[in-house]
Amino acid sequence: NAGVTQTPKFQVLKTGQSMTLQCAQDMNHEYMSWYRQDPGMGLRLIHYSVGAGITDQGEVPNGYNVSRSTTEDFPLRLLSAAPSQTSVYFCASRRDVQTGELFFGEGSRLTVL
Amino acid sequence: DAKTTQPTSMDCAEGRAANLPCNHSTISGNEYVYWYRQIHSQGPQYIIHGLKNNETNEMASLIITEDRKSSTLILPHATLRDTAVYYCIVRNTNAGKSTFGDGTTLTVKP
Repeated sequence: NAGVTQTPKFQVLKTGQSMTLQCAQDMNHEYMSWYRQDPGMGLRLIHYSVGAGITDQGEVPNGYNVSRSTTEDFPLRLLSAAPSQTSVYFCASRRDVQTGELFFGEGSRLTVL
Repeated sequence: DAKTTQPTSMDCAEGRAANLPCNHSTISGNEYVYWYRQIHSQGPQYIIHGLKNNETNEMASLIITEDRKSSTLILPHATLRDTAVYYCIVRNTNAGKSTFGDGTTLTVKP
C-alpha cells in the first residue's frame, strides 16, 4: 500500500492564480482531512470529510474548497491564491469517523508570491 | 473536542526516559487521548492512544491519570532520532475532526 499520496510536493503560485492539491489514499479509509502548517506552528484543520459526498469545514476553511466524489480522493482547491496561503499542506486519512489513527501524507509546500 | 495544554519545549538526555506531559482538564467521558509526533517537516506519525487505562506499545507508554485530566507520554530510552514535535490530542469518537495544538518540541541531547 502506498498510504496517503499528495501531489505536487512543491508549488509556486502568483497571487490570484488557482490550483488544486491532490490527495489520494489506497486504504479504503472513510475519513479524510486537510491541514495547513505555517512555519513554527502546529497543524490547523482546513476541511474534512467523513465519507464520499460529505465534507465539512475545519478551523481555517476560508479561501479553500474541497469535494469528495470518491472514497480514495480528496482534492483541495485554492480558487484565488493569496500570500497568506503560503504554507505546508498535509492530507490525512483515518479508517472511519470513530476509530483509528490518522495517516498523513508527506506534505505539499506551497509558496504564493 | 477538549483543549490540551503542553509545554512548548523539553530536553532529554540520550538513553534516558522522556516524559512528556499533557493537560486536558475539560476532557469528557467519550474522548480519547491520542499522541502523534512530527520529525522535521515530515507528516505527523501516530504514536499511541488511550481512553482510561495506561497503554504501551513498541514505541511508547501512555499514562492517563485516574481523573483523566492529564496524561504523560513516556519514551523509555530516548534516542537522537526521537527529537521531534509531539502533539497531544483529545478526540471525541462521535466527531470526525481532530484538531492539533502547537505541541512540545522534544530535543534529545547526546
